[in-house]
Amino acid sequence: DTGVSQDPRHKITKRGQNVTFRCDPISEHNRLYWYRQTLGQGPEFLTYFQNEAQLEKSRLLSDRFSAERPKGSFSTLEIQRTEQGDSAMYLCASSLRWQGATDTQYFGPGTRLTVL
Amino acid sequence: AQTVTQSQPEMSVQEAETVTLSCTYDTSESDYYLFWYKQPPSRQMILVIRQEAYKQQNATENRFSVNFQKAAKSFSLKISDSQLGDAAMYFCAYRSAGNQFYFGTGTSLTVIP
Repeated sequence: DTGVSQDPRHKITKRGQNVTFRCDPISEHNRLYWYRQTLGQGPEFLTYFQNEAQLEKSRLLSDRFSAERPKGSFSTLEIQRTEQGDSAMYLCASSLRWQGATDTQYFGPGTRLTVL
Repeated sequence: AQTVTQSQPEMSVQEAETVTLSCTYDTSESDYYLFWYKQPPSRQMILVIRQEAYKQQNATENRFSVNFQKAAKSFSLKISDSQLGDAAMYFCAYRSAGNQFYFGTGTSLTVIP
């Protein structure tokens, strides 16, 4: 399968713990996005990378959230001191941006986080 | 900030019939892109169709087409000859010039055999 993969698919944690999610994009894709989706809502943009550079961050991304894409390939999203309100599906998407083209995002299956 | 509104939480259509899903958005930008995504139950979100705002011609992809009304800030999706596999949550999305994406709350489409 050469699509976007995310790990783990499910995570249950206790309030106050730190969690880290991983996203592996489609191999030649230079852009990578993180979204959060709660039940009954559309995805909310969190941040995106072009190669290893983090270009945009949503105001939704509090100080407890940090994302990295150190080598321009896979990315990690860490949530520190988790709160019950962080319970959601965290989606990753990747795209190939090249001059003059509208990049299309391909989504991963998501990581479902439950904070007890 | 841009907002995307899908006013139909649920829609249903008879198999082989046509259905139109509504989407409106609010923006002050002139250059942007619009998308419809499909999210089947417990499956990954996939792109259905996209529209560049500078193009006057409505996008079409096989049985899927859009009615893009830039002045009205409306972007509806028409599904023709509906199939059982079309049943899913459909999200309208707006991509800003700064490459931020804004999604609507979705429309759940049921296809009745």
